[in-house]
Amino acid sequence: DQQVKQNSPSLSVQEGRISILNCDYTNSMFDYFLWYKKYPAEGPTFLISISSIKDKNEDGRFTVFLNKSAKHLSLHIVPSQPGDSAVYFCAASAYGNEKLTFGTGTRLTIIP
Amino acid sequence: DGGITQSPKYLFRKEGQNVTLSCEQNLNHDAMYWYRQDPGQGLRLIYYSQIVNDFQKGDIAEGYSVSREKKESFPLTVTSAQKNPTAFYLCASSIWASNQPQHFGDGTRLSIL
Repeated sequence: DQQVKQNSPSLSVQEGRISILNCDYTNSMFDYFLWYKKYPAEGPTFLISISSIKDKNEDGRFTVFLNKSAKHLSLHIVPSQPGDSAVYFCAASAYGNEKLTFGTGTRLTIIP
Repeated sequence: DGGITQSPKYLFRKEGQNVTLSCEQNLNHDAMYWYRQDPGQGLRLIYYSQIVNDFQKGDIAEGYSVSREKKESFPLTVTSAQKNPTAFYLCASSIWASNQPQHFGDGTRLSIL
């Protein structure tokens, strides 16, 4: 049972435009959500996180939005740059249980 | 520079052999984790450890074993009982507390000869 879902395996965006990556979850106990970026043959790099008491968190070009009623989160990258081309994973954990559950990833390609 | 070091980067194993993957961290993190990534899939948790001399099975622990004798080190042994060991293995560490991100090493790719 996939508790964290990224339904778009890939996404292509023009350089300078906004990239929007989506993630849905089913477990209502999840209260902490993260986005990781991964290049081939490297480990994931932590990008940004959000706890369930917030609905938005910003860090430079990256903003994560959380809609608890819809069990949906999204990552916005503005403006998109060629170096943003990578696979992006969303992940979630529940309070008192620090294990992360990962989605299957979305491959983002930024077109120059 | 603080970080997580996994070695080797590439590892080859003959069928029937056990092999141990190394993971060392100098971030002074309490918790350490092992994940496996297969093509087109997310990361799946194999084992994790909250403190020294204690560890717990993750979602896919069969065919694997771990030890945690030192805070800095969390080696993973892929045993001959693991039916499909070819994968990309990732080690992570974190502060064991709510709302703390895990930080990852660069992984070890294991292939069966």
